[in-house]
Amino acid sequence: DGGITQSPKYLFRKEGQNVTLSCEQNLNHDAMYWYRQDPGQGLRLIYYSQIVNDFQKGDIAEGYSVSREKKESFPLTVTSAQKNPTAFYLCASSRKTGNYGYTFGSGTRLTVV
Amino acid sequence: GQQVMQIPQYQHVQEGEDFTTYCNSSTTLSNIQWYKQRPGGHPVFLIQLVKSGEVKKQKRLTFQFGEAKKNSSLHITATQTTDVGTYFCAGPAQGGSEKLVFGKGTKLTVNP
Repeated sequence: DGGITQSPKYLFRKEGQNVTLSCEQNLNHDAMYWYRQDPGQGLRLIYYSQIVNDFQKGDIAEGYSVSREKKESFPLTVTSAQKNPTAFYLCASSRKTGNYGYTFGSGTRLTVV
Repeated sequence: GQQVMQIPQYQHVQEGEDFTTYCNSSTTLSNIQWYKQRPGGHPVFLIQLVKSGEVKKQKRLTFQFGEAKKNSSLHITATQTTDVGTYFCAGPAQGGSEKLVFGKGTKLTVNP
């Protein structure tokens, strides 16, 4: 079955360290997205990508970086510049941008210790 | 910038009662989507509405898209404990369809 896989499910990081969250999809979707979810804040867009080797900043890109070297993969790096990184991170993909439903991964819960 | 507002933010009902959440956009939308996120889970796509005035049903769930394509609603008839979760609406960002703008969601709890 096709799907979108995020790993790890839980991640603990020390302050000052960079960490990379994995997102892989085998749905042959063109577009991929990273969202951050905090209690009461809904879903906030970090970065998105419509095609390989291209990506755009979302609403809260500061302190994050991404790459899209393969269609299937869209890893997110949370850098030490992100002041409040503890959150639930969701990766999503869609066939085309905006006009098709998103498929979400099961998320990565990042805690800075 | 474009905003998608949802009300109420929280709703607590007794099992068997009906539930409605409302979604309002500051701009006209080409389509509106609804998602459900169970506690501890991830959002799952429920449905997409495209046409003005469109109404779609999924068992006990009824989705409506307003005539002006700026608002939408989700109505659940006779809630069950399995309906617990947060319901989000989302629409394409203004100026292009590169991304969705999500509402903050309505969290539904059901008392058995």
